[in-house]
Amino acid sequence: DAGVIQSPRHEVTEMGQEVTLRCKPISGHDYLFWYRQTMMRGLELLIYFNNNVPIDDSGMPEDRFSAKMPNASFSTLKIQPSEPRDSAVYFCASSLEAPPGDTQYFGPGTRLTVL
Amino acid sequence: GIQVEQSPPDLILQEGANSTLRCNFSDSVNNLQWFHQNPWGQLINLFYIPSGTKQNGRLSATTVATERYSLLYISSSQTTDSGVYFCAVEIEIGTSYGKLTFGQGTILTVHP
Repeated sequence: DAGVIQSPRHEVTEMGQEVTLRCKPISGHDYLFWYRQTMMRGLELLIYFNNNVPIDDSGMPEDRFSAKMPNASFSTLKIQPSEPRDSAVYFCASSLEAPPGDTQYFGPGTRLTVL
Repeated sequence: GIQVEQSPPDLILQEGANSTLRCNFSDSVNNLQWFHQNPWGQLINLFYIPSGTKQNGRLSATTVATERYSLLYISSSQTTDSGVYFCAVEIEIGTSYGKLTFGQGTILTVHP
């Protein structure tokens, strides 16, 4: 398997623009997670899905952030409008079944820079 | 929420040395994982270890759930071990499945 695939790997945009990050989980995995990593706050869980349904979005920072999973092989994280403080590395991860019992596999991340 | 504290924050080693990284957590957990983030940013899962001891090559981990800590041992360190080591935990509440809380990490640098 190719592992978790994320695109783009790097994104540079200007404040106010819409940003869409994409993720393809490992085939057959039931859970998909979106994380954000910054120097100040470390790694934070933003939202996760089970069988394409959002289970917990309490980590989403504000209404400018939204995430969807229209099918088992694709998810998007959208920021609209983007702000400089959204600059971070965004990771997508997937797992085969709910913890406890399984591990989360991370994609390579998308490095977002908002100017 | 649960607090996850890792120590030391930074560690510098000479190749071949051994090291122990510690993770303390403030609540009972049903999931604890150790990750390595390499210098290119990739996060790799090392262990799923909510309790007990596991070994994988030069790495081993022990979690004492009753005392709320976990240890990651690295023996005969190599330069490729450099990076950041994260501990992540999931608390024992039914509605929290999948919610990993990460520590701030230990930055390991191994010199040749």
